[in-house]
Amino acid sequence: DAGITQSPRHKVTETGTPVTLRCHQTENHRYMYWYRQDPGHGLRLIHYSYGVKDTDKGEVSDGYSVSRSKTEDFLLTLESATSSQTSVYFCAISESRVSNTEAFFGQGTRLTVV
Amino acid sequence: SQQGEEDPQALSIQEGENATMNCSYKTSINNLQWYRQNSGRGLVHLILIRSNEREKHSGRLRVTLDTSKKSSSLLITASRAADTASYFCATDEGGGADGLTFGKGTHLIIQP
Repeated sequence: DAGITQSPRHKVTETGTPVTLRCHQTENHRYMYWYRQDPGHGLRLIHYSYGVKDTDKGEVSDGYSVSRSKTEDFLLTLESATSSQTSVYFCAISESRVSNTEAFFGQGTRLTVV
Repeated sequence: SQQGEEDPQALSIQEGENATMNCSYKTSINNLQWYRQNSGRGLVHLILIRSNEREKHSGRLRVTLDTSKKSSSLLITASRAADTASYFCATDEGGGADGLTFGKGTHLIIQP
């Protein structure tokens, strides 16, 4: 696997609580992405980053925020978790825009909001 | 919105047979990629085919791309039990927001 570590790997949280998921890479890749994977929907892009402090929204960004203060770390925050955010979250990295190259994925974080 | 849509949703074949999966998409693309996901794991990149390419090979994998029909196929030859996984096609949005757009995947089961 490419050097991507997601933490935590599993988390159960209560509705209304804030949650932060971390993605850490050792590849020095410029681009980082957060996806969620749900049955019947495949993977959907939440947010992505194209450099330190440079982020943009994806298809399903409502209820999520991100931050990237260092090249190696990309944080995904659920400000107030809801049951609809129960999902498996994947971080991905790529050296350049994915219109040009492949993406490498982390192992995923399974989040359950009760 | 789903850009790539795989067909079939599920496929079960005997070990040694060939497996073919198809993907359709809706808008113009720069490239189309195929990924594999084993149960409970992250996605692994298999192959990338650019819009100006028609066919590409990698080991037992053969990918075709027909931009006029907005479709692609992934052929796995001489399947093995280890090929059991879900397979996803993914496309870029051709110059707009970054990030890949995935289909819902084909779940492939190789029977021993």
